[in-house]
Amino acid sequence: AQSVAQPEDQVNVAEGNPLTVKCTYSVSGNPYLFWYVQYPNRGLQFLLKYITGDNLVKGSYGFEAEFNKSQTSFHLKKPSALVSDSALYFCAVRDGADKLIFGTGTRLQVFP
Amino acid sequence: GAVVSQHPSRVICKSGTSVKIECRSLDFQATTMFWYRQFPKQSLMLMATSNEGSKATYEQGVEKDKFLINHASLTLSTLTVTSAHPEDSSFYICSAPSTGAHEAFFGQGTRLTVV
Repeated sequence: AQSVAQPEDQVNVAEGNPLTVKCTYSVSGNPYLFWYVQYPNRGLQFLLKYITGDNLVKGSYGFEAEFNKSQTSFHLKKPSALVSDSALYFCAVRDGADKLIFGTGTRLQVFP
Repeated sequence: GAVVSQHPSRVICKSGTSVKIECRSLDFQATTMFWYRQFPKQSLMLMATSNEGSKATYEQGVEKDKFLINHASLTLSTLTVTSAHPEDSSFYICSAPSTGAHEAFFGQGTRLTVV
């Protein structure tokens, strides 16, 4: 069965510093991986995806993620965090029925 | 990109009443919609898959008589929480599926509070 794991419930980072939100996956076959962000009482906003091709994926709002097959990871990164990046971040993998299987979420807190 | 509109964004209802949540695909046709439930500070839990023209498929442990799902057309899926109780209070989100190289598109979510 497809699954993703987000080992950190919360990540704290100072504004201007680089941030990393971790995600590892377990899939059979080639993974389709996604990152979404959720602001309070809102739906999920798409950030980026890995389907195939370059391992470094660039997405919205300056975020990027690196697909690492040997480590089965798809960590979300940003070179310089903003206070407005504070939100809940979800990693997800698509299963064979086109459903998204979500990680448990990581709350990112960026301090001024 | 594709847009999924969910309504209402927030609803408060009394115990025992029913609440309908609508999910519309605005610029595309969706033969399938997914309905998720999210508890505070938790991840999204898939409740069911609505299928246009056929019965919804429910995940294990989800009461299909309580959470009625109807996919009336290629642009509208509805979730009705029947005889709501306070424990049904939650955040409900609909989603059009990710297909091919496309990401999934999510509604804005509905915050249901049963008092």
